[in-house]
This record gives sequence, structure tokens and C-alpha cells, in this order.
Amino acid sequence: KNQVEQSPQSLIILEGKNCTLQCNYTVSPFSNLRWYKQDTGRGPVSLTIMTFSENTKSNGRYTATLDADTKQSSLHITASQLSDSASYICVVSGAGGSYIPTFGRGTSLIVHP
Amino acid sequence: DSGVTQTPKHLITATGQRVTLRCSPRSGDLSVYWYQQSLDQGLQFLIQYYNGEERAKGNILERFSAQQFPDLHSELNLSSLELGDSALYFCASSVSTGSSYEQYFGPGTRLTVT
Repeated sequence: KNQVEQSPQSLIILEGKNCTLQCNYTVSPFSNLRWYKQDTGRGPVSLTIMTFSENTKSNGRYTATLDADTKQSSLHITASQLSDSASYICVVSGAGGSYIPTFGRGTSLIVHP
Repeated sequence: DSGVTQTPKHLITATGQRVTLRCSPRSGDLSVYWYQQSLDQGLQFLIQYYNGEERAKGNILERFSAQQFPDLHSELNLSSLELGDSALYFCASSVSTGSSYEQYFGPGTRLTVT
């Protein structure tokens, strides 16, 4: 069964600090992995997407890494801001004819001043 | 603002009833996706339409159905509602089909079944 596990479940950090969120998956065959940011009560917004051949992808202060061999991804947030407080969701899509995504449960990040 | 609109924003109804959620995709987007987000299940993919035709099916219950109209807007119909159907329902759109295309999510419809 395809699964996506995210850790930690929740995280509290101080403004200006860095943090790293983890995503492990069992989806096979693999097509791509996407990180979303979701503010409370709003729709998710895509941060990065990586395919099998990509190791790193950056979007401003967000940097995602992918190790397709170990089926692990991380999202690193640099110099956190209060506006980074949100849920971060990892989504893995399998290769094949149809779009079948597997979602992680997300990491809830709170940035304190 | 993603450019995807959903109506209504909130919906409160009783068990056993039927409701229709509406989604208008971004201008130029041909694919529409429906998702359900509940506290205990997280985000789940329900169904995808591309240019009026069903393209992919996820964890959509038989009590739920959807369609995409010629003007590309989409509707999600939920019938024989149960308490467990209470959730946020998101619509997303993308320019084409395929998981590599950027999906833009709407603001969601919060459904409460009492």
C-alpha cells in the first residue's frame, strides 16, 4: 500500500530560526514529490515539485531535497518568519496513466516571535 | 487569490440530505480536481476531470458524484449525507492533465452535516 509519512507531526520554533521537515514514502513507481503550504482554513499552495532525477529544489527560503533511493524528502525553511506558521504537506504521485496522489498528514509549524 | 472560485463557502445540512458544491477553474485551465480534507483523514483525492471527461478516480464514495460542464466549471454532488462527510472540500485546477502540472486550489467549501 502506498504511504507517505511526515515528521514531526508538529513543531514550534522561534522567528529567525531554521527548521527541517521530513517526508518518507513507499509510493512505487514514483513520478514526483510536491510540498504544499496550507494556511489554516485555506487551500494548499505548492512550494516545490521534484521528479526522480532532481535532488534539490529551492523556492525562496524553502529548499526541498529528494533521495529517491531511500524514498526520503526534506523541506528546509531558512530564517523563519511568523507567516511561515502553517501546515506543510508532502504529496507523492505514482507513475502510470492516472493521477493518483498519496498525501502525508502534514507537519504543523508554529513560528513564535 | 488562486483564481479558482468555490461556492458556497459554508454549508450546513442534515444527515440524509443532498448538496451540490460548485467550482470554477482558473481561466484557461482544463483540469479540475476535487479533494476532501477532514481532521481524521487529512487531504484525500476524490476525482479529476479533464475537458469534460473523467480522467482519474480516487477515494470517492458511491454516494458522491461529479461532472465538468462545457464551460469547464465543475460540480460535486454529495448525497445521503452522513456525519462523517463533514469536511473541507477543495477544488483545484491545472492547465492540463498529469501530476507534474501546477495545481491551484480554491478556498474550499466547509460542509457540516448535523
